[in-house]
Amino acid sequence: AQTVTQSQPEMSVQEAETVTLSCTYDTSENNYYLFWYKQPPSRQMILVIRQEAYKQQNATENRFSVNFQKAAKSFSLKISDSQLGDTAMYFCAFRSSYTGTASKLTFGTGTRLQVTL
Amino acid sequence: GAVVSQHPSRVICKSGTSVKIECRSLDFQATTMFWYRQFPKQSLMLMATSNEGSKATYEQGVEKDKFLINHASLTLSTLTVTSAHPEDSSFYICSALRLRSTDTEAFFGQGTRLTVV
Repeated sequence: AQTVTQSQPEMSVQEAETVTLSCTYDTSENNYYLFWYKQPPSRQMILVIRQEAYKQQNATENRFSVNFQKAAKSFSLKISDSQLGDTAMYFCAFRSSYTGTASKLTFGTGTRLQVTL
Repeated sequence: GAVVSQHPSRVICKSGTSVKIECRSLDFQATTMFWYRQFPKQSLMLMATSNEGSKATYEQGVEKDKFLINHASLTLSTLTVTSAHPEDSSFYICSALRLRSTDTEAFFGQGTRLTVV
């Protein structure tokens, strides 16, 4: 079974600064997908960024980028120019490349990010 | 983007009664939907995978007779908490898988806060 570990329960960053959230995972599969989801106080899950394991290039979405180290099974999220609206719970998630019921997401325990003035 | 509607957003019920939560994909068909449970300040725990036209697949430790799942159509899955008790109080979230050309993408409902008194 896959496991996802987020070792930082809480983090704080000042507005306009950069912060990196850590995530490690364990799997025996070679092809899979990794995600970062944001859950603001509204509790709506929002996809921040996704990475396909077979792609070596790190994914980027505006201020959000990842550092994907496949051999180390590490998938960190970097938020640049942090904004107050980035305050939320961030979950790292793993998904198998197989379809059907195997398409379920396995979530990490989350990192609560607070952006301060 | 695709929209998944979950209803109700909040519900309070008495112990011993049953509560039904609906999850609808509004602009796409979803053969697979997932039901998660989230305790305060914790991660999302998968309860079951809902498959259109067949029985749901429950995760280990989840009582099938307590959490009834029906995926009656390609756009609707329902979770019924039967004979609810205070320990069933939680935040329940559904997600629906949308097929892309080479992959699937998960979209989440807004969640349902269930309080059993």
